Amino acid sequence: EDKVVQSPLSLVVHEGDTVTLNCSYEVTNFRSLLWYKQEKKAPTFLFMLTSSGIEKKSGRLSSILDKKELFSILNITATQTGDSAIYLCAVGNTNAGKSTFGDGTTLTVKP
Amino acid sequence: GAVVSQHPSRVICKSGTSVKIECRSLDFQATTMFWYRQFPKQSLMLMATSNEGSKATYEQGVEKDKFLINHASLTLSTLTVTSAHPEDSSFYICSAQPGEATNTQYFGPGTRLTVL
Repeated sequence: EDKVVQSPLSLVVHEGDTVTLNCSYEVTNFRSLLWYKQEKKAPTFLFMLTSSGIEKKSGRLSSILDKKELFSILNITATQTGDSAIYLCAVGNTNAGKSTFGDGTTLTVKP
Repeated sequence: GAVVSQHPSRVICKSGTSVKIECRSLDFQATTMFWYRQFPKQSLMLMATSNEGSKATYEQGVEKDKFLINHASLTLSTLTVTSAHPEDSSFYICSAQPGEATNTQYFGPGTRLTVL
């Protein structure tokens, strides 16, 4: 059975701090790892990673995948209160295209 | 691009009634749509995978006769909660996948169902 574990489950930081969110996985027929951000409503797509060692970057957010050690990290630098959200990691396999989601990391950024 | 709409955003109904939730991909075709349920402070729980023109695949523990899924076109899937009970109250989220070669899902804004 596919499994995705995120850590920490929750994190409280102050504005300007840098955070690293972790995602480890076990999945058969791995195809991609995805990061989503969920605020009050449904998740919004952040990154899709398929290859090891290639950093994806979008503004203050970046992510990288290690397919040998089976994990990914999501970095957020110079955090802002608007970064407060649940960050979900999902791993997709080639079977019917469905993804397995982790439990998420709840990030709270205090002013 | 890649916008998914969901309707209604919020519904309150009496116990025993049925509720239909629509999920539409507005600017792309989705061969696969997914239906999730989310409880407060918990992650997404996949209920079923819906493929256009075929029967939905339900996850273990999800009653197919209670949660009817229809994926009539490449842009529309519906979830009908039949004979709803208070324990069905939850946040239901759909997502659409723009092809079989990707795992990227685009999520609808969700439907908050409250069964009295």
